[in-house]
Amino acid sequence: DAMVIQNPRYQVTQFGKPVTLSCSQTLNHNVMYWYQQKSSQAPKLLFHYYDKDFNNEADTPDNFQSRRPNTSFCFLDIRSPGLGDAAMYLCATSREIPGRNEQFFGPGTRLTVL
Amino acid sequence: GIQVEQSPPDLILQEGANSTLRCNFSDSVNNLQWFHQNPWGQLINLFYIPSGTKQNGRLSATTVATERYSLLYISSSQTTDSGVYFCAVEFGNEKLTFGTGTRLTIIP
Repeated sequence: DAMVIQNPRYQVTQFGKPVTLSCSQTLNHNVMYWYQQKSSQAPKLLFHYYDKDFNNEADTPDNFQSRRPNTSFCFLDIRSPGLGDAAMYLCATSREIPGRNEQFFGPGTRLTVL
Repeated sequence: GIQVEQSPPDLILQEGANSTLRCNFSDSVNNLQWFHQNPWGQLINLFYIPSGTKQNGRLSATTVATERYSLLYISSSQTTDSGVYFCAVEFGNEKLTFGTGTRLTIIP
């Protein structure tokens, strides 16, 4: 089945220790998104790639970076995680069709910062 | 800014009951999706419904775009329906904006 895959599902890191989360997709969608979701809140968009074009949200901290080496894979790098970065990180994809932009989500990576 | 509000914020029902969840939005939309976030955190697509009515098994949804609201109906609730239900809307070329969510708890 075509899907969005995230690894790992659970990640524990130490304060200040860089961490990388990964997302892959078999849907062949051209747009990939990273969201951050804190407890009892709605998902918040961090950035997205339209093909290889990177689009950063204005309020995304510089501590968060992303890479998309090819259509199928996208990575989220947190350079120096703080306690406030503990959250669920959700990857999503869509095929940009004019008038229709349905997003599909992966299972998420739950990040704990000690 | 863009406003997406969901009601009720919390809903507790007995298994077998029916429920209606509401999503109000402040501007015309070109994309509206309903999601179910299960207890493990995964967002599952329920409906892509910028306008009209759709049904999928025990679930159905209606969006009245001219009046800026959408409804999600769940009939004959099961315990596996528990979780948080989000609507999310897209205005023009803006990003997908999530509503505040409705937490549904189904009691056996």
